[in-house]
Amino acid sequence: AQTVTQSQPEMSVQEAETVTLSCTYDTSESNYYLFWYKQPPSRQMILVIRQEAYKQQNATENRFSVNFQKAAKSFSLKISDSQLGDTAMYFCAFTPYNQGGKLIFGQGTELSVKP
Amino acid sequence: DGGITQSPKYLFRKEGQNVTLSCEQNLNHDAMYWYRQDPGQGLRLIYYSQIVNDFQKGDIAEGYSVSREKKESFPLTVTSAQKNPTAFYLCASSSGQGRQPQHFGDGTRLSIL
Repeated sequence: AQTVTQSQPEMSVQEAETVTLSCTYDTSESNYYLFWYKQPPSRQMILVIRQEAYKQQNATENRFSVNFQKAAKSFSLKISDSQLGDTAMYFCAFTPYNQGGKLIFGQGTELSVKP
Repeated sequence: DGGITQSPKYLFRKEGQNVTLSCEQNLNHDAMYWYRQDPGQGLRLIYYSQIVNDFQKGDIAEGYSVSREKKESFPLTVTSAQKNPTAFYLCASSSGQGRQPQHFGDGTRLSIL
């Protein structure tokens, strides 16, 4: 079975500081894609960052970056210079290549950014 | 603007009643998906469709049905066989085989009367 595990149900960080959210996954596939989505209180799902498994270079998007360790099946998200607007539920998700694009989600990490 | 429209935003179901959640996209995406989200949990896949007139069951398809008669539309029916339908339902679409990220609608909250 393919699974995604987020071991931190809740986290908090002070504004302007850095926080790292953990994610591990389990699959026998060698080609796949990994995503982090953000869900603020409005419940809208917003893509934060994407990583393709065949790329060794870690993806970055402004203040957001990932640490992708393929052998360890780990995909953590680092948020630098945290802002109040980063307060949200964060979901790690995974989709194997050529399986219809269906996403397998982790349970989520609720992040609170404190002023 | 291109996007995904889900309606209604809130829906109430009576015992023994079937209800249909609408999902329309104008992104010209081939693939569409329905997910269920329970409180404090991640999203679980109900059904997905990669092409018109074809769809596949996801992990929790029991008690649900779908159709894909048009590329833009992928309605989800919650049947009376679904005994615990109270949840937040999200529709998504994408253009590729997972290569491109999914775009999500704003969701429908379904509750039991």
